[in-house]
Amino acid sequence: DAGVIQSPRHEVTEMGQEVTLRCKPISGHDYLFWYRQTMMRGLELLIYFNNNVPIDDSGMPEDRFSAKMPNASFSTLKIQPSEPRDSAVYFCASSSVQGRSNTEAFFGQGTRLTVV
Amino acid sequence: AQSVAQPEDQVNVAEGNPLTVKCTYSVSGNPYLFWYVQYPNRGLQFLLKYITGDNLVKGSYGFEAEFNKSQTSFHLKKPSALVSDSALYFCAVRDGGNFNKFYFGSGTKLNVKP
Repeated sequence: DAGVIQSPRHEVTEMGQEVTLRCKPISGHDYLFWYRQTMMRGLELLIYFNNNVPIDDSGMPEDRFSAKMPNASFSTLKIQPSEPRDSAVYFCASSSVQGRSNTEAFFGQGTRLTVV
Repeated sequence: AQSVAQPEDQVNVAEGNPLTVKCTYSVSGNPYLFWYVQYPNRGLQFLLKYITGDNLVKGSYGFEAEFNKSQTSFHLKKPSALVSDSALYFCAVRDGGNFNKFYFGSGTKLNVKP
C-alpha cells in the first residue's frame, strides 16, 4: 500500500477563496482523522470518521470548515471562505482496529496551506 | 478524561549519550500508547506502540519505550543518540476499551548535538 495520500502538498490561495484538501486513506482502514498543525497550537484534531460516518467534529474551528467522506477511500476537508489564520499544515491519518493489534494511525505527508 | 502530557518542550543531548523523552497519560480504559516522530516538512511517522504484554517495547531506529502503569508513564528511550535523531517527538494514547480518537501530547523537540 502507498500509505495515506494527501493532495495537494502545497496550496496558496487568496483570502475568501474556497479550499479543498483531499485524502485517500490506507485501504481497509476504518478510521480517518483530520488534524491541523501550527506552531502556536501544535497538533489539533479537527474531525474523525469511523466507517465513513463523522463521529466527532468538535475540533472544527467554525462553520467555514466542513469535511466529508463519501466512501471508504476518499475524504475531503473544505474551507469556505478561507482566512489567513487558516494557514497551517493539514494532516490526514487513518487507522484500523481489526484484531485490536493494528491500532496505530498512519499519517499522510500533509498539505501546507497558505492563505494570503 | 483522556490526555497526554509531555512535560519537556525540548530535550538536548550529546551524540552517543542516552536519551529519554518523557510522557505521562490519563485514560479511562486500557491504554494503547504510541510514539511518533516528525522530521521537518514531513508527516508523523510511527515509532512504536504498547498494547499489552512486556512493559518494554522496542521500535524503529533503535528506540524503545517503557510502560509504567503505576506512574502512568510511557517514556521514550534510546541508549545512544544520533544527530539524525533530532526531530519532534509526539506521544499519543488511545482508549483500548473504547476505540475512538487519539490523544496527542504537545510534542518534544529533541536536539542531538555532535
